[in-house]
Amino acid sequence: NAGVTQTPKFQVLKTGQSMTLQCAQDMNHEYMSWYRQDPGMGLRLIHYSVGAGITDQGEVPNGYNVSRSTTEDFPLRLLSAAPSQTSVYFCASSYSDPTDTQYFGPGTRLTVL
Amino acid sequence: AQSVSQHNHHVILSEAASLELGCNYSYGGTVNLFWYVQYPGQHLQLLLKYFSGDPLVKGIKGFEAEFIKSKFSFNLRKPSVQWSDTAEYFCAVTFRSNDYKLSFGAGTTVTVRA
Repeated sequence: NAGVTQTPKFQVLKTGQSMTLQCAQDMNHEYMSWYRQDPGMGLRLIHYSVGAGITDQGEVPNGYNVSRSTTEDFPLRLLSAAPSQTSVYFCASSYSDPTDTQYFGPGTRLTVL
Repeated sequence: AQSVSQHNHHVILSEAASLELGCNYSYGGTVNLFWYVQYPGQHLQLLLKYFSGDPLVKGIKGFEAEFIKSKFSFNLRKPSVQWSDTAEYFCAVTFRSNDYKLSFGAGTTVTVRA
């Protein structure tokens, strides 16, 4: 099993550009989520999904979109990048809900200039 | 809104010293409690979790945590640390009042000196 994979590992964007962070898992997990990690603030939930076709907002959803067309994939789209979105982004998955053990990807370090 | 607080930002220890990391959470009804760890260059992974039962929980690599309901605390302990315990440690909580979404503390960086 590859577990949870994320691409790219690093990305630099200019303000106003859009991009998609990819996340995939091969464990047939129903629950997937995106977090951002900022110094001194821990991980904050951006969006989550409880299964294919179902997504919902987390704590800090503004400026981000998600979709879940398959069980395996959960991409995160930045619509118009802003410097405040400079962060490390983690994707995670678990068997069925957030109380299950979360399996995290390696993270994407994003810088917005 | 529910919150999770970790008392220490950075802890520096020598090998064989004991470690205790504090974690407190705000009231939010039924909670589930977790400690996750991120070793340098590795993915975040689960150390231990508490749902119910014995408030002293044992996890991987010799770590344990104690749930004290009256203090809203879930402190992580290890009696004797090793250099390989150098990592960032995150306390996390799901609150029934927040639909059990996972909330993380700010994290504590632990540096163990050989």
